[in-house]
Amino acid sequence: GDSVTQMEGPVTLSEEAFLTINCTYTATGYPSLFWYVQYPGEGLQLLLKATKADDKGSNKGFEATYRKETTSFHLEKGSVQVSDSAVYFCALSDSWGKLQFGAGTQVVVTP
Amino acid sequence: GAVVSQHPSRVICKSGTSVKIECRSLDFQATTMFWYRQFPKQSLMLMATSNEGSKATYEQGVEKDKFLINHASLTLSTLTVTSAHPEDSSFYICSAREYYNSPLHFGNGTRLTVT
Repeated sequence: GDSVTQMEGPVTLSEEAFLTINCTYTATGYPSLFWYVQYPGEGLQLLLKATKADDKGSNKGFEATYRKETTSFHLEKGSVQVSDSAVYFCALSDSWGKLQFGAGTQVVVTP
Repeated sequence: GAVVSQHPSRVICKSGTSVKIECRSLDFQATTMFWYRQFPKQSLMLMATSNEGSKATYEQGVEKDKFLINHASLTLSTLTVTSAHPEDSSFYICSAREYYNSPLHFGNGTRLTVT
């Protein structure tokens, strides 16, 4: 079945550092891909998404490109802030519209 | 924007009792709602898909008699954990969408602790 694999955390980095969180997927068909973020004590929020190959999703300085050839959807941000500390989930939407989530990657940004 | 309200945010109950968790779409009609369970430091596991007016579809391995899901209206779905046990302690999250390709909106989750 469909699945998502993302790098384990926690990822600890200093403010203004470059962030990359790797995400790869296996799927039949052509899923849509998402990054969700969960800030401490809050629910999940959609960060960005891409619906087809080569699409780039972007939001709040984060970017991810749907790479069909490498089945990847890596999340990147050029300069992180303390407020970016959260758990980030990569997910795909199967043909039924159900989301399959990766295990989540905790990101800790220190001042 | 669209808001999904989940209640309660935290609940503690004794083993053997039942607990009901509500998920409401506040400004849209949700034809489909999903219930997830999140274990500590783990991903969200889809438990069931709930379509308004019909029986929920449960994922493999989820006990439908233990986790009762009702989606009686377009704005409300409930998850009832029956005869709760300590191993049912977890974080339960609902999500809702208006139509098939509509964006998913998540509730803030319910922390269930069974003592």
